[in-house]
Amino acid sequence: DIQMTQSPSTLSASVGDTVTITCRASQSIGSWLAWHQQKPGKAPKVLIYEASNLQSGVPSRFSGSGSGTEFTLTISSLQPDDFATYYCQQYITYSYTFGQGTKLEIK
Amino acid sequence: QAQLVESGGGVVQPGGSLRLSCAASGFTFTAYALHWVRQAPGRGPEWVALLNYDGNEKHYADSVKGRFTISRDSSKNTLYLQMNNLRTEDTAVYYCAKDRGGPWGEIGSWGPGTLVTVSS
Repeated sequence: DIQMTQSPSTLSASVGDTVTITCRASQSIGSWLAWHQQKPGKAPKVLIYEASNLQSGVPSRFSGSGSGTEFTLTISSLQPDDFATYYCQQYITYSYTFGQGTKLEIK
Repeated sequence: QAQLVESGGGVVQPGGSLRLSCAASGFTFTAYALHWVRQAPGRGPEWVALLNYDGNEKHYADSVKGRFTISRDSSKNTLYLQMNNLRTEDTAVYYCAKDRGGPWGEIGSWGPGTLVTVSS
């Protein structure tokens, strides 16, 4: 299986900050990467697909980039609603694997 | 707007069986691949199974192969997950997810999930 490794595991930031989360794949996955946001007790929500495409309805302060084995999710001008856990997910091949998550906390 | 609603979760003893359902609406059920994804307490999501758009192709995670079966009833717009020989490590929230319509695994939406607890 392809391993997905996110860093950092926890990130503390303030409203208005810009933050970046990194996801690395154990082998090349092209651009077949998604980012999901999850809040406690809720289902994940798709933010970005194919590495850099914004899901409909997702605010433009979210952006994704990368290809191959290294990817980033950037959130600009953090809003209170953005404090959550973020997961990357590869879908070049099954099993479709997820990263271990990055918890974004309020500083 | 696609909607997915899971049901059928509960408490079951190790070695027992459970069938989960996912009622779908708001999209053409037979035009999209569908998945089951689970999330154990405090862990990241784990993909479990895929059923392709026409129901003719199924794929499973190694951890559930031979014990779980994904299926659907197109007349009821419902996806199922039959889980047999359950183990304590199968304890998780189980989500139904729908592809966007592109490559398989490109999830477009998730259901709210149903909790399965395997415990004696």
